[in-house]
Amino acid sequence: NAGVTQTPKFQVLKTGQSMTLQCAQDMNHEYMSWYRQDPGMGLRLIHYSVGAGITDQGEVPNGYNVSRSTTEDFPLRLLSAAPSQTSVYFCASSYGGDSNQPQHFGDGTRLSIL
Amino acid sequence: LAKTTQPISMDSYEGQEVNITCSHNNIATNDYITWYQQFPSQGPRFIIQGYKTKVTNEVASLFIPADRKSSTLSLPRVSLSDTAVYYCLVGASNTGGFKTIFGAGTRLFVKA
Repeated sequence: NAGVTQTPKFQVLKTGQSMTLQCAQDMNHEYMSWYRQDPGMGLRLIHYSVGAGITDQGEVPNGYNVSRSTTEDFPLRLLSAAPSQTSVYFCASSYGGDSNQPQHFGDGTRLSIL
Repeated sequence: LAKTTQPISMDSYEGQEVNITCSHNNIATNDYITWYQQFPSQGPRFIIQGYKTKVTNEVASLFIPADRKSSTLSLPRVSLSDTAVYYCLVGASNTGGFKTIFGAGTRLFVKA
């Protein structure tokens, strides 16, 4: 049982480049979300999804796109990378849709934008 | 969602009991209190969740007073491997969506 799998683990981009961070879960969870974590800070919600075909914005959505075509996958797209997007990105999933449901996190993607 | 306040950091020694208190004055009636642990270079990991009184599992205990405006995570006999950041979250069912707010957490440093 892999849980939540994120790829790649590390990535370096140049300003203006685009890329997709992958997230997959094998727990049949309806709810998935993306967070970013900057040094010494907590996690900030970027986008979330309550089920296949349904997504919504979180606290810091600008510069990112998401889609949810299947229950298992929830990719995060950086449209035109900027140095301010240098961060660690975490994907999470949970069984239920409310904040009381424990979330399962991946181990993160460390992204550097030069 | 209710905001939480925790100490920024705490130090302890191996074998001691550690208590981390979280304040959540605006907690709503149907809010649960959830704690996560995060090690360096890893994603947060669920530790424990409770609604009122006391909850205990194999990792920790969670104490919640009657007014539910605060909660205390208790880690018995900590070891060096308990050095991590601990997050307190308060949330409830949201008909409008799913939004979880992580604060900066409490950095626990366990010394030998």
